[in-house]
Amino acid sequence: DAGVIQSPRHEVTEMGQEVTLRCKPISGHNSLFWYRQTMMRGLELLIYFNNNVPIDDSGMPEDRFSAKMPNASFSTLKIQPSEPRDSAVYFCASSYVAGGEQFFGPGTRLTVL
Amino acid sequence: KNEVEQSPQNLTAQEGEFITINCSYSVGISALHWLQQHPGGGIVSLFMLSSGKKKHGRLIATINIQEKHSSLHITASHPRDSAVYICAVGSGSRLTFGEGTQLTVNP
Repeated sequence: DAGVIQSPRHEVTEMGQEVTLRCKPISGHNSLFWYRQTMMRGLELLIYFNNNVPIDDSGMPEDRFSAKMPNASFSTLKIQPSEPRDSAVYFCASSYVAGGEQFFGPGTRLTVL
Repeated sequence: KNEVEQSPQNLTAQEGEFITINCSYSVGISALHWLQQHPGGGIVSLFMLSSGKKKHGRLIATINIQEKHSSLHITASHPRDSAVYICAVGSGSRLTFGEGTQLTVNP
C-alpha cells in the first residue's frame, strides 16, 4: 500500500485566496484525521471523520476552514479566505478503526503570503 | 498546565548511549502513542499502548496507568535515531500531543 497520500506537498498562496488540501487515506481505513502543526502550537487536531462522517470538528479554528469526506478514499480541507496565520504544515492521518494506530501522510506545507 | 508534558525538551547523546524520554499526562486516556518525526517532517507511529510494555528492535515503551506516566527508551542509540519524539494521549479517536523531545545523537 502507498500509505496516506496528500497533495499538494507544498503550497504558496497569497492572502485572501482559497486553498484546498487533499488526502487519500489507506484503503480499508475507516477513520481519517486532519492535523495542523506550527512552531508555536505544535500538533493540533482539526477534525476527524469516522466512516466518512465528521465526528469532532472542535479543533477547526474558524468558519474559514471546512473539511469534507465525500467517500472512503478522499477528503479535502479547504481554507477560504486564507490568511498568513494559516501558514503551517497540515497532516492527514488514517486508522483502521476508531481509536487505533494512526498512519500519517507526508504533510502539506502551506505558506500564505 | 498542558495535558501532556514531555521531558526533556532537548536531549543530546553520544552514539551507543541509553536514552529515556518521559511523558506525563493529566487526563483519562484510552491509549498512549509515541510518534517519531524526522527532520524531513514525516511522522511515523512507533508505539500505541494502554498498559505494560512494548518492544520493537532497540525501542521500548512503557506505561504506568496509575501514575499517568510513560517512558520511551532507546538502547544503543545511533545517529539515525536523531528526530523529534512526540507523546500523544488518546481519548477515543482524539489525540492530544505533547510538545515533543528533540533528540540528537552524535557519532
